[in-house]
Amino acid sequence: AQSVTQPDIHITVSEGASLELRCNYSYGATPYLFWYVQSPGQGLQLLLKYFSGDTLVQGIKGFEAEFKRSQSSFNLRKPSVHWSDAAEYFCAVGAYGNKLVFGAGTILRVKS
Amino acid sequence: DTAVSQTPKYLVTQMGNDKSIKCEQNLGHDTMYWYKQDSKKFLKIMFSYNNKELIINETVPNRFSPKSPDKAHLNLHINSLELGDSAVYFCASSHPQGGGALYNEQFFGPGTRLTVL
Repeated sequence: AQSVTQPDIHITVSEGASLELRCNYSYGATPYLFWYVQSPGQGLQLLLKYFSGDTLVQGIKGFEAEFKRSQSSFNLRKPSVHWSDAAEYFCAVGAYGNKLVFGAGTILRVKS
Repeated sequence: DTAVSQTPKYLVTQMGNDKSIKCEQNLGHDTMYWYKQDSKKFLKIMFSYNNKELIINETVPNRFSPKSPDKAHLNLHINSLELGDSAVYFCASSHPQGGGALYNEQFFGPGTRLTVL
């Protein structure tokens, strides 16, 4: 069965520092991978997605993610974090029936 | 214009009541979904409909009954509400799987926070 693991429940970074959020997936076929962000009390916003092609994908708000098939990973990165990036981040894999299987989320805190 | 909208945004009700949450999308998508986000923020799919036909039902109690009057609407009716139903419910929509597309991106609504007292 498909699954997504986000090993870090919470991460705290200083404003201006770089960020990497980890995501590992389990899926038998070619994965379709997503990162969503949820600000407090808000809905889900798509940051970026990987369907095929270049394994380094660019998203909105300066985020990027790299698909590594050998490691079953799709880690999210940002070179310089802003205070407004504080939110919860969800990695997801697209599965049979076009459903999304989500990880448990990583809460990002940004300290000034 | 809002792409995927849900009403109400907040819903507070007593145990045992019956309530509905409405979802509408104006993206021209054929497929719609309901997801539940529990108190630990874990998101899990409940249902999906393609052009008014049920595609996915993920072992959800039969107190939950989705209804799709047309492909732009997918409402969620919940009977005999229980404390454990308290959660945020998200509606989403996408083009359907198939036709050469192995997967299609989903667009989410703002969520409905249901609190059962």
